[in-house]
Amino acid sequence: DTGVSQDPRHKITKRGQNVTFRCDPISEHNRLYWYRQTLGQGPEFLTYFQNEAQLEKSRLLSDRFSAERPKGSFSTLEIQRTEQGDSAMYLCASSGPLGGAQGGYTFGSGTRLTVV
Amino acid sequence: KQEVTQIPAALSVPEGENLVLNCSFTDSAIYNLQWFRQDPGKGLTSLLLIQSSQREQTSGRLNASLDKSSGRSTLYIAASQPGDSATYLCAVNQGGSEKLVFGKGTKLTVNP
Repeated sequence: DTGVSQDPRHKITKRGQNVTFRCDPISEHNRLYWYRQTLGQGPEFLTYFQNEAQLEKSRLLSDRFSAERPKGSFSTLEIQRTEQGDSAMYLCASSGPLGGAQGGYTFGSGTRLTVV
Repeated sequence: KQEVTQIPAALSVPEGENLVLNCSFTDSAIYNLQWFRQDPGKGLTSLLLIQSSQREQTSGRLNASLDKSSGRSTLYIAASQPGDSATYLCAVNQGGSEKLVFGKGTKLTVNP
């Protein structure tokens, strides 16, 4: 197992376009999290899945953002009609059955989005 | 609303020095506190996790303490090395939530 994998590593898109990112968690981890990190800031929570159920969602996740985890394995994060303010690093993390609060989190290397 | 503050924002030290990074949080009803390391342009690496019932955790040259009642944590790095240069992030889990609330981090530079 190579850890949490995110694809792509970098994405440059024009304002108004839609983008989709993928996260593959550690195989035995049933919990998956998305965070967004802008320059000079700490990561901000976006959403959390336990298996395929989306259990927690931040107000930051506006109508233009949607996340899915259809089979409880990989997850996708889609941003529609991108804006320059969406430029950030999008981080994915996973944790085992105990949950991250008890067992800790493993983060991926992130997807760097630049909206021009 | 939980807020996490890290001081200083940046720190530059010569190699071999012992140093302390500070983290404070406004709501003491936390489940745990975690310290992470982030290298430029990379994801986060978990360093230490302290449950709310614990006072400290140690891993190699790193020691993290937690004073839940005063809303403070410190990360002590002994005998710093250039390879320790990175941004160190503090984060808390509130009770009943899987969400981590992060500080903005302390950027550490260890000069050879």
